Amino acid sequence: NAGVMQNPRHLVRRRGQEARLRCSPMKGHSHVYWYRQLPEEGLKFMVYLQKENIIDESGMPKERFSAEFPKEGPSILRIQQVVRGDSAAYFCASSLQGAKGYTFGSGTRLTVV
Amino acid sequence: EDQVTQSPEALRLQEGESSSLNCSYTVSGLRGLFWYRQDPGKGPEFLFTLYSAGEEKEKERLKATLTKKESFLHITAPKPEDSATYLCAVLRPGGSYIPTFGRGTSLIVHP
Repeated sequence: NAGVMQNPRHLVRRRGQEARLRCSPMKGHSHVYWYRQLPEEGLKFMVYLQKENIIDESGMPKERFSAEFPKEGPSILRIQQVVRGDSAAYFCASSLQGAKGYTFGSGTRLTVV
Repeated sequence: EDQVTQSPEALRLQEGESSSLNCSYTVSGLRGLFWYRQDPGKGPEFLFTLYSAGEEKEKERLKATLTKKESFLHITAPKPEDSATYLCAVLRPGGSYIPTFGRGTSLIVHP
């Protein structure tokens, strides 16, 4: 019974490149949440998705960031034209039903050089 | 504005020295409060969910309690392996079930 799977664990990108972060939720979970964590800071909400729908993207920067959760396959967080300020740990969480518990993956650590 | 405030930011304890971590929140109509543990380089690990004032949950040396304004995570006779960052989160008001996290309390337990 695999948990939330995120890959890659570590990602290095040069400024201006694109970063794609993947998240496979727990089996049966249809709600996915993306968070960003900077050193010494808490988890900042970015976007909440259900299958094929973006429910809330109020925490997502307006430019360069996008997210999807297709009918088949993992959820993808895409960052275009990365800058050094995008360097952070990005965590994905999934839930079966709102307010019943959220399971986190191990995160993707993005470093922009 | 901050909806979740955790204190202290950092806490050092000797093994066996019991203490409490605080999580105060400002959301009205609380729909759920969560405690997580996060080890360096890893994702948050779920500990407890609390829904209403007066509720308590326990797991090994940890006990979480909830009032109308705050939650406490009590650590009894801690061990070095309890060293971690403890995160508190509340569900945002409104229709979406989105957890909002505090900055966490970094706990170090010395042997």
